[in-house]
Amino acid sequence: DQQVKQNSPSLSVQEGRISILNCDYTNSMFDYFLWYKKYPAEGPTFLISISSIKDKNEDGRFTVFLNKSAKHLSLHIVPSQPGDSAVYFCAASDTGGFKTIFGAGTRLFVKA
Amino acid sequence: DSGVTQTPKHLITATGQRVTLRCSPRSGDLSVYWYQQSLDQGLQFLIQYYNGEERAKGNILERFSAQQFPDLHSELNLSSLELGDSALYFCASSDMGGLEDTQYFGPGTRLTVL
Repeated sequence: DQQVKQNSPSLSVQEGRISILNCDYTNSMFDYFLWYKKYPAEGPTFLISISSIKDKNEDGRFTVFLNKSAKHLSLHIVPSQPGDSAVYFCAASDTGGFKTIFGAGTRLFVKA
Repeated sequence: DSGVTQTPKHLITATGQRVTLRCSPRSGDLSVYWYQQSLDQGLQFLIQYYNGEERAKGNILERFSAQQFPDLHSELNLSSLELGDSALYFCASSDMGGLEDTQYFGPGTRLTVL
């Protein structure tokens, strides 16, 4: 049972354009959402998060949007840079249940 | 560098064997998490410890066990290994173990079971 789904295994974007990575979840108990970035041969690193009481959180070039009614969140990267090429994991937490569920990841390629 | 260390980096063993993976959290972090990443899969949460006590359990098999020691380092023990246990095993740490805390991940241990 995949509670957190990232339906696009990969995404290719031109440098300078917007990258949009999507994530869907099924469990309405999730109340905190995170994005992690992972380079090869390294562990994931935290990128940005959002609480369910918000619908948008911005940090520099990265913005996360949350649509609770659709159980959907997205990560926007503007402008995309070649160094953004990595695997991006969406994660959702049920803070009452002490669990974080990760999606399978989306591999982003930013072409120079 | 996240400050989380994991040893060994690579481990190759045979089916039926037992291995121990080790994790040292960031200085000051009290909570440790273990994750498994199989090929083309997301990170599967296995187990979390906070200050030596088990806090949360995920999809951890009965053949697997973990513990957090008084010095806060953690070990993940995998026994009766099967081919399907081949994966990357990540350890992460956070300061208080709350789900809104940022988790800092180690570089992982790649386990290959032949």
